[in-house]
Amino acid sequence: NAGVTQTPKFQVLKTGQSMTLQCAQDMNHNSMYWYRQDPGMGLRLIYYSASEGTTDKGEVPNGYNVSRLNKREFSLRLESAAPSQTSVYFCASRTGGPNTEAFFGQGTRLTVV
Amino acid sequence: GENVEQHPSTLSVQEGDSAVIKCTYSDSASNYFPWYKQELGKGPQLIIDIRSNVGEKKDQRIAVTLNKTAKHFSLHITETQPEDSAVYFCAASKTGDKIIFGKGTRLHILP
Repeated sequence: NAGVTQTPKFQVLKTGQSMTLQCAQDMNHNSMYWYRQDPGMGLRLIYYSASEGTTDKGEVPNGYNVSRLNKREFSLRLESAAPSQTSVYFCASRTGGPNTEAFFGQGTRLTVV
Repeated sequence: GENVEQHPSTLSVQEGDSAVIKCTYSDSASNYFPWYKQELGKGPQLIIDIRSNVGEKKDQRIAVTLNKTAKHFSLHITETQPEDSAVYFCAASKTGDKIIFGKGTRLHILP
């Protein structure tokens, strides 16, 4: 019963480095989401994928790219990390049908120095 | 696009008292309003949700109300217990669309 699995759990990057955050779900969900969580700012949507093969920008997409590799996997890439991208990143998924619960991963804590 | 406002940002209540958290949304087409609880170091978890064809829903000590005309919804926790201490998020969504969250409320249950 894995649910939504994110890797890595922790990461430290230097400014300008690139990395990919991985997310996989085993619930056969259609929709997947990437959020960032900063103190006092709640959960802000970066990108989402309503179904395999589609991606759309959320509230704060600048500096990020995503790939919906297949139905299970949705990755988030930072091409050139900046200190402003220091945050906790959460991946979520849901069936995508009418009004369904979203399930979240445990998060990736990213620090950019 | 959708905008969700949540108040208060911090709430302290005595154990056994009730807690109320309020949210407003901007998109009248939103039809799904979940509430999530986040404990330290973990991802958010759904505690209750309400759909736009319902005005109120209750699950034991937790209830949610929805006023579609005013575009606001509220979470009510009665007989609060220490394990209710956490961060709570409201959210709004349309069918098959993105989920937009409020900024969260940190709830402290005082002994």
